[in-house]
Amino acid sequence: GIQVEQSPPDLILQEGANSTLRCNFSDSVNNLQWFHQNPWGQLINLFYIPSGTKQNGRLSATTVATERYSLLYISSSQTTDSGVYFCAVAGTGTASKLTFGTGTRLQVTL
Amino acid sequence: DAGITQSPRHKVTETGTPVTLRCHQTENHRYMYWYRQDPGHGLRLIHYSYGVKDTDKGEVSDGYSVSRSKTEDFLLTLESATSSQTSVYFCAISGDRVTDSPLHFGNGTRLTVT
Repeated sequence: GIQVEQSPPDLILQEGANSTLRCNFSDSVNNLQWFHQNPWGQLINLFYIPSGTKQNGRLSATTVATERYSLLYISSSQTTDSGVYFCAVAGTGTASKLTFGTGTRLQVTL
Repeated sequence: DAGITQSPRHKVTETGTPVTLRCHQTENHRYMYWYRQDPGHGLRLIHYSYGVKDTDKGEVSDGYSVSRSKTEDFLLTLESATSSQTSVYFCAISGDRVTDSPLHFGNGTRLTVT
């Protein structure tokens, strides 16, 4: 099956700093989504982004499907951005299933 | 927030007992999913449903069964719980196939099998 790798695995930032999280995948995909799991365990869908660039406030994401990667940008980080960020992909031929990466754990400190 | 309710939120049970987890949605979405989350393994798909009485297996379906008798409810049953099934279980929904629509999660059920 498709492999999804995220980097870095862990990241510590000071409040106000910017960061870039990366998601690489091993095969062609029909879709890619980014999720944030907060420290209380809730999983929130950030972006549904099969290709191109989207922005939502301080967060933006870019997917380059032909080169098999996606980037999540966090600008002016806040302590509420802490948690784990997951990317998930739907490989071609697996229209109803998402495969998740193992996540990037982000800690934003004061 | 997507209208997804999981129950119970926490459960402790003994090895060998049957357990049923419930997911209820108010979004009238066609697709519903059960995932488990374990340290070192991330989120893995157990079973999913693409309509009433239409279900299929995910990557870790052994030891689990599901049922969907109504659009809004998706049940996950552990016929005889084992310690390896101690995990956090998440229900998720999508309006269409995940290639065409975003996935939204419930708040999870923490299950401990002693």
